[in-house]
Amino acid sequence: EPEVTQTPSHQVTQMGQEVILRCVPISNHLYFYWYRQILGQKVEFLVSFYNNEISEKSEIFDDQFSVERPDGSNFTLKIRSTKLEDSAMYFCASSTRGETQYFGPGTRLLVL
Amino acid sequence: AQSVTQPDIHITVSEGASLELRCNYSYGATPYLFWYVQSPGQGLQLLLKYFSGDTLVQGIKGFEAEFKRSQSSFNLRKPSVHWSDAAEYFCAVVLSGGYQKVTFGTGTKLQVIP
Repeated sequence: EPEVTQTPSHQVTQMGQEVILRCVPISNHLYFYWYRQILGQKVEFLVSFYNNEISEKSEIFDDQFSVERPDGSNFTLKIRSTKLEDSAMYFCASSTRGETQYFGPGTRLLVL
Repeated sequence: AQSVTQPDIHITVSEGASLELRCNYSYGATPYLFWYVQSPGQGLQLLLKYFSGDTLVQGIKGFEAEFKRSQSSFNLRKPSVHWSDAAEYFCAVVLSGGYQKVTFGTGTKLQVIP
């Protein structure tokens, strides 16, 4: 069964550094998303992406964040200058028509 | 305000016992409804979903959920819990109409004791 994959599974970085989290959505899916889950808290929406542009973004998704679909398979989340409070599990998700989203295993980001 | 509520933060059941996890939503119209499960250190796996039609939906791993419009609820059930069901369960909604974000409840952590 097709799955969403994410790399790396864990990333440790220094505050102020740039990180890129990578996702490979399910191949025939058209809608892509990023969510995050701070330890002990609920999963929060960051951004949705369709037709090569952002469809919706939350107030969390400020200018430090950007998303890109650089080729036909990858979907990336970039954090330009990481802060301590960016430490979280980041989930990528994809869907065919936007209603049922399938999630990847997540990337655990730790900012020191 | 629109919200998804899971009133039970933590539930402990004995292996073999039945399980019901509660979920209530507050939206103007009936959204699409989902249950996801997150095992420790793992991602979010879709258990089941409800869009319309039969209000009792079957999912994977022997789970089912019942949609009750009058109560704005979508409770998850399993008749006999296995130790491997220990995980965190999230109720979630998507507003009908396309590429909408998933809004998650706060989750219910299930502990299964022998």
